[in-house]
Amino acid sequence: EVQLVESGGGLVPPGRSLRLSCAASGFTFDDYAMHWVRLVPGKGLEWVSGLTWNRGNMDYADSVRGRFTISRDNAKNTLYLQMNSLRIEDTALYYCAKGLAAAVVTDAFDIWGQGTRVTVSS
Amino acid sequence: EIVLTQSPDTLSLSPGERATLSCRASQRIYSSYLAWYQQKPGQAPRLLIYGASSRATGIPNRFSGSGAGADFTLTIGRLEPEDFAVYYCQQYDKAPVTFGQGTRLDIK
Repeated sequence: EVQLVESGGGLVPPGRSLRLSCAASGFTFDDYAMHWVRLVPGKGLEWVSGLTWNRGNMDYADSVRGRFTISRDNAKNTLYLQMNSLRIEDTALYYCAKGLAAAVVTDAFDIWGQGTRVTVSS
Repeated sequence: EIVLTQSPDTLSLSPGERATLSCRASQRIYSSYLAWYQQKPGQAPRLLIYGASSRATGIPNRFSGSGAGADFTLTIGRLEPEDFAVYYCQQYDKAPVTFGQGTRLDIK
């Protein structure tokens, strides 16, 4: 069964850090680019970051650039998102998503996890 | 960045009726790199359409996508009870990838 399972979310005060993980199974992980997309309360979906299969190309939304870092371990079939200097506006449900292709960070997403919730509040 | 505007914000229809959802881009989308997703409460988004008109694996043929340039449409031929959800369009022609604000399809 093709599956993505996120973990690592939680409640943190502004300025703190969190590291999200996404464990993939049921497909050849290193054949595809992977992405993080968040569902912001009252606003909808926002793409956060994407990383190609070989880590050769990555990109970020302007709202998180310089604070978030995407990475992957193909040996462990796992995607990560290191989130530093968290802000209240980063509060969202964070999804891991699989791209249709391997080598682009602009793509549609055909497999999604169930999400992990991040709440930034004092 | 490319801004996607979906209309209407809310669409109220009855099962069996036809639904037409619109997505307009702030600039031309080349190569029809436009996707549609369905999201139900408490569930992850599901890819319905990619490349403006190609159905994703397992998607019923009552879902169809059309359009080019800056205007795109998702049509649901005959609404089933399970089709009532929020629908998002997404462009992946230019970085950053962007989504529309969503159309909520409600049961009338």
